[in-house]
Amino acid sequence: DAKTTQPNSMESNEEEPVHLPCNHSTISGTDYIHWYRQLPSQGPEYVIHGLTSNVNNRMASLAIAEDRKSSTLILHRATLRDAAVYYCILRDYGGSQGNLIFGKGTKLSVKP
Amino acid sequence: DSGVTQTPKHLITATGQRVTLRCSPRSGDLSVYWYQQSLDQGLQFLIQYYNGEERAKGNILERFSAQQFPDLHSELNLSSLELGDSALYFCASSVDVVSSSGNTIYFGEGSWLTVV
Repeated sequence: DAKTTQPNSMESNEEEPVHLPCNHSTISGTDYIHWYRQLPSQGPEYVIHGLTSNVNNRMASLAIAEDRKSSTLILHRATLRDAAVYYCILRDYGGSQGNLIFGKGTKLSVKP
Repeated sequence: DSGVTQTPKHLITATGQRVTLRCSPRSGDLSVYWYQQSLDQGLQFLIQYYNGEERAKGNILERFSAQQFPDLHSELNLSSLELGDSALYFCASSVDVVSSSGNTIYFGEGSWLTVV
C-alpha cells in the first residue's frame, strides 16, 4: 500500500484557517486521496477526497499538488469542534478491496 | 449519525471468555469492515466482507472471526479473550468496494471492550 506522511500534531487558533499537509510520494495513478478525521471518543468521519483536481465541500477544501505527491487539507475557519486526529489515506480505486489503511494521522488542537 | 449501528456500546468480560459484537450497516451498503483501535496500535483493519463473502483480511487474530449474514448485518466473534484485546472495535460500511467515484466508508460509534 502506498504510504502517507503527516506531522504528528498541529495547533491552530479558533476562527483561523488551518492547512494540514500530507506527503504521498509513492502515489500511483489509480490512488484517490482521502481525508478522514476522528473526534475524541467517536468513529472516524469522512472529510473529503480527490484524485487530481482541487476539491471543495462544506467541511473543507483539498488542494492536490500537480504531481500528486502531496496534498493539503484546508479548514477555512477552525472551530473548537474541529479538534481531532486527521488522517490522510490513499485508496486504490482500481483495487478490489477498498479498505482504508490508517496511519498515525495529525492531531489538531484548536485554541480559543 | 453515520447510519452504522453497533451493539453493544460497552462490554466488560473476563479473560478466556468469548464475545460477539454486532454491526448493522447503512441501508443499501453491501460492504462491511471491522477495525480495532487500541491506545498503542492505532486503527487497525481487521477484515472486510462484501455481500456475504470475505473480501479482504488484515491483522485479524486466529481467535477472532467474522461473518456477514444475508440481511447484510455482520458479527465479529472474539474468543479466548486476553487483556490485550481490550480496545474499541469499529464497524464501517460502504455501498460497494472502491469504485471510480471513490466511495465513502461510514463508521459506527464503536464497541468498547474491556477484558479484565
